[in-house]
Amino acid sequence: ETGVTQTPRHLVMGMTNKKSLKCEQHLGHNAMYWYKQSAKKPLELMFVYSLEERVENNSVPSRFSPECPNSSLLNLHLHALQPEDSALYLCASSLGLSTGNTIYFGEGSWLTVV
Amino acid sequence: AQSVSQHNHHVILSEAASLELGCNYSYGGTVNLFWYVQYPGQHLQLLLKYFSGDPLVKGIKGFEAEFIKSKFSFNLRKPSVQWSDTAEYFCAVFVRDDKIIFGKGTRLHILP
Repeated sequence: ETGVTQTPRHLVMGMTNKKSLKCEQHLGHNAMYWYKQSAKKPLELMFVYSLEERVENNSVPSRFSPECPNSSLLNLHLHALQPEDSALYLCASSLGLSTGNTIYFGEGSWLTVV
Repeated sequence: AQSVSQHNHHVILSEAASLELGCNYSYGGTVNLFWYVQYPGQHLQLLLKYFSGDPLVKGIKGFEAEFIKSKFSFNLRKPSVQWSDTAEYFCAVFVRDDKIIFGKGTRLHILP
C-alpha cells in the first residue's frame, strides 16, 4: 500500500464545474508534488510544495489552483477545465527537496473533462 | 533544453529473453538518475537509482542499470524477464533540487 493517498480515483466533470482532487501523505514528508500524465507525453511536473510553501509553478494555467493546508495534505482545485486537461493526475511526496530523496507516488486520479 | 529520451515506446518480449531499455538525457551538469516502474493498475514505484559511485546500479527484482556519463545514458537491463515484468517503465533525471524530468515511458509486454 502506498503512503500517498489520492481521492477521488476517477472524476468526470463538465467544463463549467468546480471540483477538487485531494492528496494525503502518511510518510512524514516535507515536500509534495502534483504531476500530470497525458497519453503519449512525458510526466509533467505542475506544482511543488516544500514545508507548505509553493516553490515551483511550471507555467500551469490558472484553472488549476493548488492548496496546501498542511504538510501532509495537498489539494488541486479545478475550475473551467478544457477537454485537453483530461489526464491522470499524480500526487507525490518526498522527505525533502534534495535530489537524493526518493519520490513516492499516489495511485493517481483519472480526470475526464467533458 | 533539458530532456529525457526513452527510445522504445513499446517492447514485446518472450519470457526468459534479455531486456535492455534505453534512456538518454540532455543536461551538462551533475544529475541523479532513476528508473520507475508502473505495474498495471498500480502506482509508480522506484526500481533503482544512481547518485554517485559505481555506475552499475542494482535494483529490485533483478533489474540493473548502467550510467555511462560520456554517452549521457542510463539504460535499464534484466538478463531474463518474467511475465510479471509487464509494466510501463519511466526513466527520470533530477537536474536540481526541485526539478525532475521524466521520459515518455516504455510499455513492456512479456509473452508467457
